[in-house]
Amino acid sequence: NAGVTQTPKFRVLKTGQSMTLLCAQDMNHEYMYWYRQDPGMGLRLIHYSVGEGTTAKGEVPDGYNVSRLKKQNFLLGLESAAPSQTSVYFCASSYLFVDTEAFFGQGTRLTVV
Amino acid sequence: DAKTTQPPSMDCAEGRAANLPCNHSTISGNEYVYWYRQIHSQGPQYIIHGLKNNETNEMASLIITEDRKSSTLILPHATLRDTAVYYCIVRPFAGGYSTLTFGKGTMLLVSP
Repeated sequence: NAGVTQTPKFRVLKTGQSMTLLCAQDMNHEYMYWYRQDPGMGLRLIHYSVGEGTTAKGEVPDGYNVSRLKKQNFLLGLESAAPSQTSVYFCASSYLFVDTEAFFGQGTRLTVV
Repeated sequence: DAKTTQPPSMDCAEGRAANLPCNHSTISGNEYVYWYRQIHSQGPQYIIHGLKNNETNEMASLIITEDRKSSTLILPHATLRDTAVYYCIVRPFAGGYSTLTFGKGTMLLVSP
């Protein structure tokens, strides 16, 4: 049982380049989330999804796009990377009901130079 | 979501109980209290949650005051591996979709 898997674990991008971060979960969860964490800060929600084909904006959505074409996958895209997007990105998933726990991936460390 | 207030850091001796406080004075009747922790560079890990009653599991105990305006997470016998940032989160029970909103948490340092 893999849980939540993020790909890649590390990446260095040049300013203006694009990339996609993949999150995959094998627990049949409805909810999936993308967070970013900057040094000394808590996690901030970028986008989330409450089911296949649905997405919604979180606290800091600008500069990111997401897609949930399959229930088990949640993709986070950066169309034109900026140094301000240097961060650690975490994906999470949970069942739909709020009284259940969320499971987190191990993170993707992204550096934009 | 209701906001929470936690001390930025706490120390605990190995083997002793660690008591982490959280203030959530604006909590609503339908909001759960959740605790997560994040060990350095790893993804957050769920610990425990509760609504009104005290809760206990294999990791910790959660004590919620009767007026629900504050809570305490108790790690009964802290070990060095419990050194982490601990996040207290309040989350609505119903009435639409609900996400997890993280603050800065409490950095717990367990020392030998």
